[in-house]
Amino acid sequence: GAGVSQSPSNKVTEKGKDVELRCDPISGHTALYWYRQSLGQGLEFLIYFQGNSAPDKSGLPSDRFSAERTGGSVSTLTIQRTQQEDSAVYLCASSSRQGSAEAFFGQGTRLTVV
Amino acid sequence: GENVEQHPSTLSVQEGDSAVIKCTYSDSASNYFPWYKQELGKRPQLIIDIRSNVGEKKDQRIAVTLNKTAKHFSLHITETQPEDSAVYFCAASAGFQKLVFGTGTRLLVSP
Repeated sequence: GAGVSQSPSNKVTEKGKDVELRCDPISGHTALYWYRQSLGQGLEFLIYFQGNSAPDKSGLPSDRFSAERTGGSVSTLTIQRTQQEDSAVYLCASSSRQGSAEAFFGQGTRLTVV
Repeated sequence: GENVEQHPSTLSVQEGDSAVIKCTYSDSASNYFPWYKQELGKRPQLIIDIRSNVGEKKDQRIAVTLNKTAKHFSLHITETQPEDSAVYFCAASAGFQKLVFGTGTRLLVSP
């Protein structure tokens, strides 16, 4: 079956504009993560959704960042009033509550703020 | 909540040598410990994982050991090859709770 899909693959935006990044998790996966990875750096946790529970938003760096997950499936990460320091690769991952707890990553969205 | 520390941040070895990456975790309830490999420009992918009911797991040249008492686990790569060069991330979670990642280790294997 299909893996985790993210769109767009690349996004160039002007400083101050809003952007939306999309993640389609593996069907049936109840857990969904968003991470940010700057060039040569580690995985910076942003937000975690698990089923119908309240999301863990503890990693969101500012109130310009928000995410939602509709119907327990697709998730959208929104960055308002983008800044140059928001430039990074945004990775989404999903995992199941059955069997393996392995997290499967999408290919990422490379965001460049100019 | 869970906190995972990973060392070293960079590791350089000669081809054929062994490489060891170590992680510690804070939550004694954690029972699932995966390792991910991220090659340049690619997404992280699972290479091996271990659950707390075993102390060691091997898969060809890679192995993971777990010490629950000390709350640390390690990745061992033997007979390293240039294609092992990548960033490696450890992680920990309790059951199907949030997976918490370490900060990563950049491994460079020189021919």
